[in-house]
Amino acid sequence: AQSVAQPEDQVNVAEGNPLTVKCTYSVSGNPYLFWYVQYPNRGLQFLLKYITGDNLVKGSYGFEAEFNKSQTSFHLKKPSALVSDSALYFCAVKQAGSASKIIFGSGTRLSIRP
Amino acid sequence: GAVVSQHPSWVICKSGTSVKIECRSLDFQATTMFWYRQFPKQSLMLMATSNEGSKATYEQGVEKDKFLINHASLTLSTLTVTSAHPEDSSFYICSAAPPRGAVSPLHFGNGTRLTVT
Repeated sequence: AQSVAQPEDQVNVAEGNPLTVKCTYSVSGNPYLFWYVQYPNRGLQFLLKYITGDNLVKGSYGFEAEFNKSQTSFHLKKPSALVSDSALYFCAVKQAGSASKIIFGSGTRLSIRP
Repeated sequence: GAVVSQHPSWVICKSGTSVKIECRSLDFQATTMFWYRQFPKQSLMLMATSNEGSKATYEQGVEKDKFLINHASLTLSTLTVTSAHPEDSSFYICSAAPPRGAVSPLHFGNGTRLTVT
């Protein structure tokens, strides 16, 4: 069975500081990993994905994530946070090459203070 | 980029009535669409997988007779909440899988806020 964990319900960061939103996963075989962002009363927007290749993946709005196979992690990062980054962030995993469903983490609320 | 349109964005209905929510993929054909329910401050709960031209696949615990799903074309899936009750009030979100679905990210609608009074 596949699963994904986001251990932090909330992350608070001052504007201009680097941010990290944590994600760990469990899947049989190779994973497809995704990050999505959700603004209030909206659907999810795709940020970035890891399928294969370079472990450091760059995505929208200056976000990036690093795939770490040994630690089964896919943490989301940004070097300098903006107030507008405040939102709900979801990590998701899917087993590569299968028809399995995509599984979402519980979400992490990111709050950037001015 | 790929766009999924969900309508309505919000709806208020009386207890006992039915509500239909539409999900359209605007620039690609989606043989598979997904319906989620999101409770306040919680993650998305997959309700069902909508397959074009066939019956939807419901997740455990989701009442298929209450949440009717129809995927009549490659660009449209509908979710009908029948005989709605206040406990059905929630945020419902659809998503569509583009071609090459396994490696492509899902594209989400903007959600529908349902309030049953």
